Amino acid sequence: DTGVSQDPRHKITKRGQNVTFRCDPISEHNRLYWYRQTLGQGPEFLTYFQNEAQLEKSRLLSDRFSAERPKGSFSTLEIQRTEQGDSAMYLCASSLMGNTYEQYFGPGTRLTVT
Amino acid sequence: DQQVKQNSPSLSVQEGRISILNCDYTNSMFDYFLWYKKYPAEGPTFLISISSIKDKNEDGRFTVFLNKSAKHLSLHIVPSQPGDSAVYFCAAKVGGFKTIFGAGTRLFVKA
Repeated sequence: DTGVSQDPRHKITKRGQNVTFRCDPISEHNRLYWYRQTLGQGPEFLTYFQNEAQLEKSRLLSDRFSAERPKGSFSTLEIQRTEQGDSAMYLCASSLMGNTYEQYFGPGTRLTVT
Repeated sequence: DQQVKQNSPSLSVQEGRISILNCDYTNSMFDYFLWYKKYPAEGPTFLISISSIKDKNEDGRFTVFLNKSAKHLSLHIVPSQPGDSAVYFCAAKVGGFKTIFGAGTRLFVKA
């Protein structure tokens, strides 16, 4: 069990550029979540996948954000035309479908928009 | 709208004593509650959980208490150890999967 991995760990980009983050969940987990965390706050839910289906998208997620999980395995989160307000830690988590609800988090990708 | 509130940003406790971390919530539809621990440069890790139909769950040194009428839950750590120093997040699940996190409480356990 290698845990949830995220790539890259850090990303610095200029305002207006597009960025893409990758998340590899624990292999047998069919649920995958994206969160955003800013300083002094807890993780904020962005979106959720069950297998390859995106079942919910937070209203926090503007049209500039898109997430995919094409084969029900890894997922990507893309931010287009980045803004300084997008600077945050982006966390990915995965879980098993069932009666347990704990999520297993990756180390996160820290995005800095200059 | 902050549905899960952790009103204490930080807590300092002596090693060996009890740590009590508190959490209040506003949404009566929450059906499952979880506590996560986070060390610097790592993602949160699951610690303990409780269903809304129970009022207590215990796992080793960690106990979570749920008071539904007060919409309040607490995490007790006994005895506290220096390795418990971390940020603790209270979280609540609503519906099938969406989880709402509090802002966290930073626990310092002094040796």
